[in-house]
Amino acid sequence: EVQLVESGGGLVQPGGSLRLSCAASGFTFSNNWMSWFRQAPGKGLEWVANIKQDGSDKPYLDSVKGRFTISRDNTKNSLYLQMNSLRGEDTAVYYCARLVGTRSRDAFDIWGQGTMVTVSS
Amino acid sequence: AIQMTQSPSSLSASVGDRVTITCRASQDIRNDLGWYQQKPGTAPKLLIFAASSLQSGVPSRFSGSGSGTDFTLTISSLQPEDFATYYCLQDYNYPFTFGGGTKVEIK
Repeated sequence: EVQLVESGGGLVQPGGSLRLSCAASGFTFSNNWMSWFRQAPGKGLEWVANIKQDGSDKPYLDSVKGRFTISRDNTKNSLYLQMNSLRGEDTAVYYCARLVGTRSRDAFDIWGQGTMVTVSS
Repeated sequence: AIQMTQSPSSLSASVGDRVTITCRASQDIRNDLGWYQQKPGTAPKLLIFAASSLQSGVPSRFSGSGSGTDFTLTISSLQPEDFATYYCLQDYNYPFTFGGGTKVEIK
């Protein structure tokens, strides 16, 4: 079964750090771009970051640039999001997702169940 | 950043109704648009990619159309399991951006 499972969420104080993980199974992880999205409580979806198959390209949402780092370990079929200098506005459910397809025919077809990050004192 | 304006933000409809949701991009995004369905407490689910291609396993009552700046998601005959929130997403360029969402509720 093709699956993504996130972990690592929790309660953290403003200015703190957290590392999210996303374990992939059921497909060849190294073949796909991967992404992180988030959804603040009661709000819409927001794209956070992407990472190319070999990790060589990592675009970010401006509001997280310099604070968040996306990475992957293809030997462990895992995606990560290191979050530093966390702010209240980073409070959200964080989802990892797989990007499939080719340019102009691509989409996020598999999503994890999400992990909640709460930034509060 | 490309702005995606989605309308309506909510609608009430009955089972069997035809439902149309629109997304307008602030610039030409060719056909780089997907539609996603989200039910409360769950992850988004891909319905349509490349503006009009139906994802495998998605019922044929869902369809997408449009290119450039104007896009439409149509549900031809609303079913009970379709009550959810729908989002469009442009992946033409970074940052990828979503529409604000359309909550489809039972009338």
